[in-house]
Amino acid sequence: ETGVTQSPTHLIKTRGQQVTLRCSSQSGHNTVSWYQQALGQGPQFIFQYYREEENGRGNFPPRFSGLQFPNYSSELDVNALELDDSALYLCASSPGGVGETQYFGPGTRLLVL
Amino acid sequence: AQSVTQLDSQVPVFEEAPVELRCNYSSSVSVYLFWYVQYPNQGLQLLLKYLSGSTLVESINGFEAEFNKSQTSFHLRKPSVHISDTAEYFCAVMGPSGAGSYQLTFGKGTKLSVIP
Repeated sequence: ETGVTQSPTHLIKTRGQQVTLRCSSQSGHNTVSWYQQALGQGPQFIFQYYREEENGRGNFPPRFSGLQFPNYSSELDVNALELDDSALYLCASSPGGVGETQYFGPGTRLLVL
Repeated sequence: AQSVTQLDSQVPVFEEAPVELRCNYSSSVSVYLFWYVQYPNQGLQLLLKYLSGSTLVESINGFEAEFNKSQTSFHLRKPSVHISDTAEYFCAVMGPSGAGSYQLTFGKGTKLSVIP
């Protein structure tokens, strides 16, 4: 059984640019959540996708957007990058539903200069 | 709304000594609680979770946590730590985030350092 994978592992961008991060879900999982983990902080919920539809969103601006594909893989897009967007971005997949465990990928570390 | 407070940002402990990592939560709905562990430069791994039933839950590597509703706590304990337990530990509460979705709300984490 393949776990959650993310690409790329590291990325350096400059302020104002756009970035796309990718995530492959664990087999059999139809729900993907994205989290931002700033240095020294716990992860913060960005949004969740279930069967290709966004069905939950945290306190992040619209320049954070995403997609989920029919194979349940997912993308996180961030436009107009700001310095404060520098963080570890974590993707988690789950079977969906209350109480279900979310399984995390290794993350993508984004640095915005 | 949910929130999690991890009372200690860093906990140093000698090898083979016991340890307790403290977690308090706030939730307006049914409570589902999780502990995750993060090793350096890695993602989060589930350690254990509480959904319902017995208030004491255990992990396969010797950690346990007890759900205490009256004190709104979910402290993590291990009777004897190993060097390999050195990592950052996150407590999280699961709650609704709209349209049938459920999100994890994390604490700020506790860095456990095991001293040889």
